[in-house]
Amino acid sequence: QKEVEQNSGPLSVPEGAIASLNCTYSDRGSQSFFWYRQYSGKSPELIMFIYSNGDKEDGRFTAQLNKASQYVSLLIRDSQPSDSATYLCAVQDSNYQLIWGAGTKLIIKP
Amino acid sequence: ETGVTQTPRHLVMGMTNKKSLKCEQHLGHNAMYWYKQSAKKPLELMFVYNFKEQTENNSVPSRFSPECPNSSHLFLHLHTLQPEDSALYLCASSQRDRGVGGANVLTFGAGSRLTVL
Repeated sequence: QKEVEQNSGPLSVPEGAIASLNCTYSDRGSQSFFWYRQYSGKSPELIMFIYSNGDKEDGRFTAQLNKASQYVSLLIRDSQPSDSATYLCAVQDSNYQLIWGAGTKLIIKP
Repeated sequence: ETGVTQTPRHLVMGMTNKKSLKCEQHLGHNAMYWYKQSAKKPLELMFVYNFKEQTENNSVPSRFSPECPNSSHLFLHLHTLQPEDSALYLCASSQRDRGVGGANVLTFGAGSRLTVL
């Protein structure tokens, strides 16, 4: 059974601080790793994806991948109240299918 | 229209009704998906169509019936549903096998909120 685990939260972070979201996965054959953001009542939207070990930066967002330890994380710098949402981690298996975590709810406090 | 559009956005139906959800993608993608999203659960993949051929059917009850007449349109036909089928149904599309590094990037529609009475 391929699984993706996320802490459900809520994770509460002060405005302007760094928010750190983590995700672990079970399938060592996983290829690409995605972070989606979902606002309440809305559909998931892609933030970024990563497929090589190390860091990938896009604006205030940094994805970190460690395949040996089977975890992927998302850092949000200078957190804003508009970053308050549920963050979904998804892992792509060898059949191109995405395995999803249940999401972490992030609350940015002004 | 751009992206992935879903209709209706909200649907209330009785257990004996028959209804359909519609999805259309304007991205030129070659794969389309139906997902079910229930509160505090991971997204559940229901059906996948790749180049209009159904390639995945994750043990979904027969009361859900997909239809993919062409690479831009996807339907989910609903009949004799149960209250536990109440959820957000998300359609997504992607361009499989051509993403950067082989990444299968999904674009979602806004979803259809289904309530079964």
